[in-house]
Amino acid sequence: AQSVTQLGSHVSVSEGALVLLRCNYSSSVPPYLFWYVQYPNQGLQLLLKYTSAATLVKGINGFEAEFKKSETSFHLTKPSAHMSDAAEYFCAVTSGGYSTLTFGKGTMLLVSP
Amino acid sequence: DADVTQTPRNRITKTGKRIMLECSQTKGHDRMYWYRQDPGLGLQLIYYSFDVKDINKGEISDGYSVSRQAQAKFSLSLESAIPNQTALYFCATSSSGDDTQYFGPGTRLTVL
Repeated sequence: AQSVTQLGSHVSVSEGALVLLRCNYSSSVPPYLFWYVQYPNQGLQLLLKYTSAATLVKGINGFEAEFKKSETSFHLTKPSAHMSDAAEYFCAVTSGGYSTLTFGKGTMLLVSP
Repeated sequence: DADVTQTPRNRITKTGKRIMLECSQTKGHDRMYWYRQDPGLGLQLIYYSFDVKDINKGEISDGYSVSRQAQAKFSLSLESAIPNQTALYFCATSSSGDDTQYFGPGTRLTVL
């Protein structure tokens, strides 16, 4: 069984501030972890993924995430928020093979000038 | 051209009507998925197919059925639509060698 918890349905930051979106997972086997972004009126787009290689994963648009097994976490960060980062972000986990993706409930990132 | 397309993009229908949502992909992937998205609930898996002859129920399959007509096509049907099926529906695809899923643009369905 696997599950994902995203802390905070909404996160507000000022432009230029650090972005931190939290994701904790539960998995009975070594997980593969993903972050997706959804801009208004669009489908989901892959930001980055962890598949048991380097624990610090770099994605598109300056985002990165660190896999911490001891904390069962995969938090998403960006040093400096931009207005264009305003979107909904989803964390997802799979065990690979014939397993499917399980998504968190999403975190809406709001960026103010 | 988009790799994963969904038709229609928007649909308004009435309670009791049969509705079909279609998904096509040009990525050559063998796996396809249908999700629904409701505000605050994230994405919930309705059905998935790992190849043409393999169809599996997801966590919320009641009231839905699917057909995998070809490797590139996966349709979702609502046999008798009800208002609580009003949602945003997404199709996604992946390769058996990679768990990354690629999403279509979504279909916004409203059941009155």
